[in-house]
Amino acid sequence: KQEVTQIPAALSVPEGENLVLNCSFTDSAIYNLQWFRQDPGKGLTSLLLIQSSQREQTSGRLNASLDKSSGRSTLYIAASQPGDSATYLCAVPSNTGKLIFGQGTTLQVKP
Amino acid sequence: DVKVTQSSRYLVKRTGEKVFLECVQDMDHENMFWYRQDPGLGLRLIYFSYDVKMKEKGDIPEGYSVSREKKERFSLILESASTNQTSMYLCASSFTQGTYNQPQHFGDGTRLSIL
Repeated sequence: KQEVTQIPAALSVPEGENLVLNCSFTDSAIYNLQWFRQDPGKGLTSLLLIQSSQREQTSGRLNASLDKSSGRSTLYIAASQPGDSATYLCAVPSNTGKLIFGQGTTLQVKP
Repeated sequence: DVKVTQSSRYLVKRTGEKVFLECVQDMDHENMFWYRQDPGLGLRLIYFSYDVKMKEKGDIPEGYSVSREKKERFSLILESASTNQTSMYLCASSFTQGTYNQPQHFGDGTRLSIL
């Protein structure tokens, strides 16, 4: 049974710092991995999707990497800003297409 | 851009009421999903649908039903609302072609309180 874990659960950094969020999964036979952002009381915004054949994806200051063999993905945020404060979730699809989510990392970027 | 719209941001209902949560997507997606999100439990799948009039149970279907009469609309029904169904409900949709390669897009969520 696939399990997705995100560590740490919470992270606080000063503005301008580069940071890495971690996501690990137990079954390396994944089709893709998706990173989401969730602001308090809001829905999920899709940030990046990495296909199983890809090593990384970039969007602006965000870079997501995927290492299937080790069961890990990282989300790199460059030059963090207070507006990046949110909860970040990673998820992988099961055989039925439903997403299996990690518990999320809540990021606070202090001005 | 993909737009997934949930009919209500906040909803307050009473125990025993029949509650309808509506979700509409505008990108002709075949797949639609209903999740609930609770502190400490994360997101859990309630029901999903691969096509019109088709539905599949997720991880926690008890106390819920769904309806998909049109491709763009997926409704979640609480047959007799109970306090343990107080939660954030999230709808999502995605394409079928290469399903596993297509991202899921989420609505803004409905915060449901059952009193």
